[in-house]
Amino acid sequence: GQNIDQPTEMTATEGAIVQINCTYQTSGFNGLFWYQQHAGEAPTFLSYNVLDGLEEKGRFSSFLSRSKGYSYLLLKELQMKDSASYLCAVSDSNYQLIWGAGTKLIIKP
Amino acid sequence: GAVVSQHPSRVICKSGTSVKIECRSLDFQATTMFWYRQFPKQSLMLMATSNEGSKATYEQGVEKDKFLINHASLTLSTLTVTSAHPEDSSFYICSAPLRGTGGDYNEQFFGPGTRLTVL
Repeated sequence: GQNIDQPTEMTATEGAIVQINCTYQTSGFNGLFWYQQHAGEAPTFLSYNVLDGLEEKGRFSSFLSRSKGYSYLLLKELQMKDSASYLCAVSDSNYQLIWGAGTKLIIKP
Repeated sequence: GAVVSQHPSRVICKSGTSVKIECRSLDFQATTMFWYRQFPKQSLMLMATSNEGSKATYEQGVEKDKFLINHASLTLSTLTVTSAHPEDSSFYICSAPLRGTGGDYNEQFFGPGTRLTVL
């Protein structure tokens, strides 16, 4: 079966760095997405990785290792507004998105 | 970026009534749209894929007669929850794919979601 695993909840301090991991097992692979979702709102796109390596975009970076079925989202210089759920999603062989359950990130002052 | 609108944003209805939710791509055409449901503290669950000009494709366990989908045009898909019951109360989100800039992938643009409460 298809499976996406990510931690349920993480806590970090304002100004610090946090890494959210995602492991996946899917039938085929056409890229991995990270989305941010604030409570009661729809998800918003953060990043896309299809090749191995690190993609940096401002305070956020995303890493992919296809051989290990592993990705992480790295958030630097954390701000209170970064408190949200972070969803990992993999595009399978049919280009359908398989979603993880999301990681709730709590930022403390 | 591309914009997807969804209407209404919130609806409260009595058990047994039907509710229609609209999803529109405002500045691009979408031959395909996706409908998701999200229960509290859970991830998105794909309900169905809406295809312009043809029947929707439903995920296993989703009743097609209860969740009617119509993709009337390249910019509009509707989801009708028929004979709604309290267990249908959820956050319904639509999305439309668009080829991402600089890459060969389809980024999903999400509508703002519709909070349905069935009393």
